[in-house]
Amino acid sequence: ETGVTQTPRHLVMGMTNKKSLKCEQHLGHNAMYWYKQSAKKPLELMFVYNFKEQTENNSVPSRFSPECPNSSHLFLHLHTLQPEDSALYLCASSQDSGSGGVSYEQYFGPGTRLTVT
Amino acid sequence: QKEVEQNSGPLSVPEGAIASLNCTYSDRGSQSFFWYRQYSGKSPELIMFIYSNGDKEDGRFTAQLNKASQYVSLLIRDSQPSDSATYLCAVTGLTGGGNKLTFGTGTQLKVEL
Repeated sequence: ETGVTQTPRHLVMGMTNKKSLKCEQHLGHNAMYWYKQSAKKPLELMFVYNFKEQTENNSVPSRFSPECPNSSHLFLHLHTLQPEDSALYLCASSQDSGSGGVSYEQYFGPGTRLTVT
Repeated sequence: QKEVEQNSGPLSVPEGAIASLNCTYSDRGSQSFFWYRQYSGKSPELIMFIYSNGDKEDGRFTAQLNKASQYVSLLIRDSQPSDSATYLCAVTGLTGGGNKLTFGTGTQLKVEL
């Protein structure tokens, strides 16, 4: 256990559904992240939140909508997804590393395996 | 040019041997380097991080960083079958702020009995 939890662990949804992924961290961190991991591709950073403020949106389609109500919770709202969005979605957290210098290590949750049918 | 490159493997080593995993990166301004282990069907697990040139040891693991040559490596001594996994190299650079990790595709390691 890394102190980062994610629910649900598995999700199957149709292209017209709306669902949400939830992430919670118990490490006292103030930065949280969403990553996408597809087969044979590197982990892709989707969103970064520092102190509840979004600081990075890595050209993610608008059918993915993040929400960070506080430094411990992070959501990813999903709607009208495509089959190519099927992947493992990972949440991570760290101390905020600021705009430069060395970076703090990130700890990952167990992930949500998403299948879009 | 890929930002972080790793040989996908698989890299096969016999039990008890030293496994050497390599990673090169393109951003010369990169300052922080991380190694994660990922078992099949699981999420990445942090093994080590290194910031300065040279070696950093933690148990059976040693991370080596050479910023002039833009590579970072991970050595696993006395390899065990439980070390069989995919090892991900991750790097942060000057662009995008300190929180932005860029990952390689990973090297699959197989430790054989």
